[in-house]
Amino acid sequence: DTGVSQNPRHKITKRGQNVTFRCDPISEHNRLYWYRQTLGQGPEFLTYFQNEAQLEKSRLLSDRFSAERPKGSFSTLEIQRTEQGDSAMYLCASSLKVSSYNEQFFGPGTRLTVL
Amino acid sequence: EDQVTQSPEALRLQEGESSSLNCSYTVSGLRGLFWYRQDPGKGPEFLFTLYSAGEEKEKERLKATLTKKESFLHITAPKPEDSATYLCAVRETSGSRLTFGEGTQLTVNP
Repeated sequence: DTGVSQNPRHKITKRGQNVTFRCDPISEHNRLYWYRQTLGQGPEFLTYFQNEAQLEKSRLLSDRFSAERPKGSFSTLEIQRTEQGDSAMYLCASSLKVSSYNEQFFGPGTRLTVL
Repeated sequence: EDQVTQSPEALRLQEGESSSLNCSYTVSGLRGLFWYRQDPGKGPEFLFTLYSAGEEKEKERLKATLTKKESFLHITAPKPEDSATYLCAVRETSGSRLTFGEGTQLTVNP
């Protein structure tokens, strides 16, 4: 499978615990994005990387959230001291920066439930 | 701030009954309008990119069109397997993020 992969697919945690999600983009893609989606809503942008550089962060990304892409390949998203409001689907997407074309291809998502 | 509004929120069709979904947008400078399909519990699946007013793209029973203020996704003779949530998103000229609408949940009954 050459698409975007995310692990784990589901995560249940208790309030106050830390969680980490992983995203592996399509192999030749140099841009990687994180979005969050709650039920009945469209995805909301969190942050994106070009290679290993984090170029943009949303206001939604509180200081409890941190994302890394250490070698410009896979990325991790960590949420510290989880809250019930963090329950959502966390989506990763990747794209190839080629002139004006920037179609983003999404992974299957990680469903987070905070009890 | 970019805004995307999709209508209707939900649409029920009989198999073979053609219809259109609407996506209205407000953006300072449009770099692209994207349509995605999302099945329950899955990530969005890319369908189309439109870049300029007047542009049209087709894929099987789907046809997307773009004006300066809105985009339409036309579904011709839909089948039950077309049932999904259809998401519209815009990318402005100054950034790479996508701003999504809330989606239209389409149900096609046999």
